[in-house]
Amino acid sequence: QVQLVESGGGVVQPGGSLRLSCAASGFTFSIYGMHWVRQAPDKGLEWVAVISYDGSNIYYTDSVKGRFTISRDKSKNTLFLQMNSLRVEDTAMYYCAKDKVRATVTGWFDPWGQGTLVTVSS
Amino acid sequence: DIQMTQSPSSLSASVGDRVTITCRSSQSISRSLNWYQQKPGRAPKLLIYAASTLQSGVPSRFTGSGSGTDFTLTISSLQPEDFATYYCQQTHNTPPEYTFGQGTKLEIK
Repeated sequence: QVQLVESGGGVVQPGGSLRLSCAASGFTFSIYGMHWVRQAPDKGLEWVAVISYDGSNIYYTDSVKGRFTISRDKSKNTLFLQMNSLRVEDTAMYYCAKDKVRATVTGWFDPWGQGTLVTVSS
Repeated sequence: DIQMTQSPSSLSASVGDRVTITCRSSQSISRSLNWYQQKPGRAPKLLIYAASTLQSGVPSRFTGSGSGTDFTLTISSLQPEDFATYYCQQTHNTPPEYTFGQGTKLEIK
């Protein structure tokens, strides 16, 4: 079955950096777009970034542009999110999610990983 | 930017009730609207995509409808496992924004 396992979260000071990973299994990783979605404590969902199946198309939500970088390694079946210049408002559970449809990006997130918690605090 | 507004923000209902949650977009999004269910401490789960298509494995008591700016999620007969928070999400824009509504918390009466 499809499995997504995030890691790399933790506590970091404002201005610091973290690199999140999402290990994928149970499907052909190289033919699906992948997303990062975050959820601040007791708040709603916010889409963060998407990378197409081949890495040729990448988009970000405005609040992370220039600070976050999404990437993927098909040899390791792993999705990444490099987060720099972190702010207190970046504190959230970060989920990776697979796009439902192969070889395109629909924004239909299915399934999601269990999430990794990022806390930005001094 | 497209804004998504759900109503109500919270709802109390009983097992067996019929429940409707509404989602409104700030501009027309055709049928580019999805619904997710999230239980406490768990990741969200896709229920309905493209306004009315039921995700595989989701019970038929869940129904999505609407187009343009107004959408609804209906649960025909609430079951104990349906008490959760529900989010709508638009997927209309290119480049993508994928905006979510603020969520509707469905609680047991």
